[in-house]
Amino acid sequence: AQSVSQHNHHVILSEAASLELGCNYSYGGTVNLFWYVQYPGQHLQLLLKYFSGDPLVKGIKGFEAEFIKSKFSFNLRKPSVQWSDTAEYFCAVSQNTGNQFYFGTGTSLTVIP
Amino acid sequence: NAGVMQNPRHLVRRRGQEARLRCSPMKGHSHVYWYRQLPEEGLKFMVYLQKENIIDESGMPKERFSAEFPKEGPSILRIQQVVRGDSAAYFCASSPMMAGANEKLFFGSGTQLSVL
Repeated sequence: AQSVSQHNHHVILSEAASLELGCNYSYGGTVNLFWYVQYPGQHLQLLLKYFSGDPLVKGIKGFEAEFIKSKFSFNLRKPSVQWSDTAEYFCAVSQNTGNQFYFGTGTSLTVIP
Repeated sequence: NAGVMQNPRHLVRRRGQEARLRCSPMKGHSHVYWYRQLPEEGLKFMVYLQKENIIDESGMPKERFSAEFPKEGPSILRIQQVVRGDSAAYFCASSPMMAGANEKLFFGSGTQLSVL
């Protein structure tokens, strides 16, 4: 079965610091990759997604993620975080076959003003 | 401690039939969320329920869709008179308290609905 690992459970950063959240998956076939964000008191929102093409994906609010197939990774990055980025971040993977969809356990990001 | 359980994993219906999707939250969780993933799109919020109450159904289509979370038993997402456009993966998530207020969401593995 597919598994999605987010190694950072809690991250605390100061404003303007750079962010990188790790995401690794186990499936060796063709995958679609997603990052979702959940702000306090709100519902899950899609930050960015990768289906094919350029492995460097730009998302909303200055976020980007890079798909590295050889490392089975899809790490989320932002060069300079803001206090408003405080949220829970979920990585998710779906397989092109079988319509399976798997979530990581989430990373809680706290940005200190 | 079992995770969020959704069943069935795959559900096939003909147009006009009813689809019932079940979600059993993690033990001790009283908040349930339903999301829909359409092919090649991200997750879309549908409805947020607590035991016996619908808190937020702003993402639910106005017709044919309903959800409940009774005092006993799983949460049910019901789709009446299904159409081909209802084909999607439906995900349930649960949390012990309102998610986002320092409470994590835990996701089920989804139900894939196919409408013929």
